[in-house]
Amino acid sequence: DTGVSQDPRHKITKRGQNVTFRCDPISEHNRLYWYRQTLGQGPEFLTYFQNEAQLEKSRLLSDRFSAERPKGSFSTLEIQRTEQGDSAMYLCASSPLSGEQYFGPGTRLTVT
Amino acid sequence: AQRVTQPEKLLSVFKGAPVELKCNYSYSGSPELFWYVQYSRQRLQLLLRHISRESIKGFTADLNKGETSFHLKKPFAQEEDSAMYYCALISGANSKLTFGKGITLSVRP
Repeated sequence: DTGVSQDPRHKITKRGQNVTFRCDPISEHNRLYWYRQTLGQGPEFLTYFQNEAQLEKSRLLSDRFSAERPKGSFSTLEIQRTEQGDSAMYLCASSPLSGEQYFGPGTRLTVT
Repeated sequence: AQRVTQPEKLLSVFKGAPVELKCNYSYSGSPELFWYVQYSRQRLQLLLRHISRESIKGFTADLNKGETSFHLKKPFAQEEDSAMYYCALISGANSKLTFGKGITLSVRP
């Protein structure tokens, strides 16, 4: 097991375009989290899945953001009609039901 | 609402000097506190958690509920300790993490 993986690692897009990120958690980890990190800040919670169920969404997650975790394995985070303020590092983490969260390398989004 | 405060952005020390990275929190319940570390070009990883009361890489942190603090300490810093350090707490049944803004530790030879 190589740990949590994220794809792509970098994404440059123009304002108004849609983007989708993928996260592959450690196999058999029930929980999957998405965080966003902007320059000079710590990661901020966006949303959380337990198996395939999305159990919590932050108020930071506007209607333009949607996340899925079909079949309780990999997860996708889509941002529609991107804005410059969406530029950030998007981090994925997974954990067993009770235990340490393991983070992926992140996807750096730049909206021009 | 929960909050984690790391009052300093940067701490620069010489090798062998003691290190204390400050962390204060606010949380109405019984918190679970963590320190995460990010070395250059590496992913965020757990350094230690207060419930385990371990010493990892020479670092320790004691939860002080009276002062709502969870400062990270090491008696003798090493160059390989240079990294970004984040204090975090878990709240709620979903175990989501609330992070501080982080502090850069620079250990000079």
